[in-house]
Amino acid sequence: DIQMTQSPSFLSASLGNSITITCHASQNIKGWLAWYQQKSGNAPELLIYKASSLQSGVPSRFSGSGSGTDYILTISNLQPEDIATYYCQHYQSFPLTFGSGTKLEIK
Amino acid sequence: EVQLVETGGGLVQPGRSLKLSCVASGFTFNNYWMSWTRQAPGKGLEWVASITNSGGSTYYPDSVKGRFTISRDNAQNTLYLQMNSLRSEDTATYYCTRGLYRYNLNWFAYWGQGTLVTVSS
Repeated sequence: DIQMTQSPSFLSASLGNSITITCHASQNIKGWLAWYQQKSGNAPELLIYKASSLQSGVPSRFSGSGSGTDYILTISNLQPEDIATYYCQHYQSFPLTFGSGTKLEIK
Repeated sequence: EVQLVETGGGLVQPGRSLKLSCVASGFTFNNYWMSWTRQAPGKGLEWVASITNSGGSTYYPDSVKGRFTISRDNAQNTLYLQMNSLRSEDTATYYCTRGLYRYNLNWFAYWGQGTLVTVSS
């Protein structure tokens, strides 16, 4: 099984700043990675797919990068509505696995 | 508009069974793989099961294999999850999901609102 190691678990940043969240796969997942945002009490929402493709309707402040085993989610110009928990997930093979999540707080 | 509506959650005793349903609308159901993903209270996300668009193949993680069965009725636009031999660790909100693209497994672009399953005596 492919393990997804996500860091940090918790992040506090100021409005207008940029943050990065990383996800490391235990083997090469060839770009088959998605990022999700989950706001409190809601279902997750797809932000980024195929490592760097922005889902329709997602602000361009969100971007994804990476290849092989290492991937990054970047959020620029942090806004109050970005308060959420963020998860990565690989789609390389079964079983599909998620990272453990990053809870983002605005200072 | 794509809609996924889950029902069937509730309180169930350990060792018993429960069947979840997810009614889909707003898209051609038999063109898409479908999946279930769960989230224990205060915890992260765990993929539970996937089924091909025809229903001919199913996939599970080891944590539920042999206990859970995913199925679909393409005539009724409905996805199911039959859960047997339930354990306390199966307590979670269960989400029905659909991929972004047709005909193969891909990114969970659409999620239902979830249905809560509580396994407790």
